[in-house]
Amino acid sequence: DAGVTQSPTHLIKTRGQQVTLRCSPKSGHDTVSWYQQALGQGPQFIFQYYEEEERQRGNFPDRFSGHQFPNYSSELNVNALLLGDSALYLCASSPSGALSYEQYFGPGTRLTVT
Amino acid sequence: AQSVTQLGSHVSVSEGALVLLRCNYSSSVPPYLFWYVQYPNQGLQLLLKYTSAATLVKGINGFEAEFKKSETSFHLTKPSAHMSDAAEYFCAVSFTGGFKTIFGAGTRLFVKA
Repeated sequence: DAGVTQSPTHLIKTRGQQVTLRCSPKSGHDTVSWYQQALGQGPQFIFQYYEEEERQRGNFPDRFSGHQFPNYSSELNVNALLLGDSALYLCASSPSGALSYEQYFGPGTRLTVT
Repeated sequence: AQSVTQLGSHVSVSEGALVLLRCNYSSSVPPYLFWYVQYPNQGLQLLLKYTSAATLVKGINGFEAEFKKSETSFHLTKPSAHMSDAAEYFCAVSFTGGFKTIFGAGTRLFVKA
């Protein structure tokens, strides 16, 4: 049973560019959340997708957007990249019926903005 | 507002010694509490979770945590540290009706031979 997978593993972009990160949830999971983890910090919630809709959003600007596909996979898009967007981006999945809100995390995508 | 505070950004113990990582939370509703471990250049792995059942929770790799409502704490312990326990540990909280998980800033555990 494959866990949460993310691609690419690493990415280097230039300021002002746009980036798309991808996530496939664990089998049987239909809810996907995205987190940003800056160096030396804990993960910060960006948003969560369920039934192809953004269900909740954290304190991130509109430059951060996402999408969920019918197969439950998800994309995170970041426009007009800033140096401060350099971070590890984590995807987490969970089943919608879970009462414990336990999430399974992928290995992350390391984004470097130069 | 809900929040998580991890006391001590770095903790160093000798191999075989007790591990104690501290976590306090702030919440106006009953929380769900988690401890995750992160090894270098990897994602997060769930160590254990509290979901309003037993207050003493046992997790993987010999770790356990006790939920103390009166102290709003959820400290992580392990009786005997192993070199392989060296990693970053995150305490996290979520809530009924909420969808996001709030993480603490993390505690890096160093284990000395």
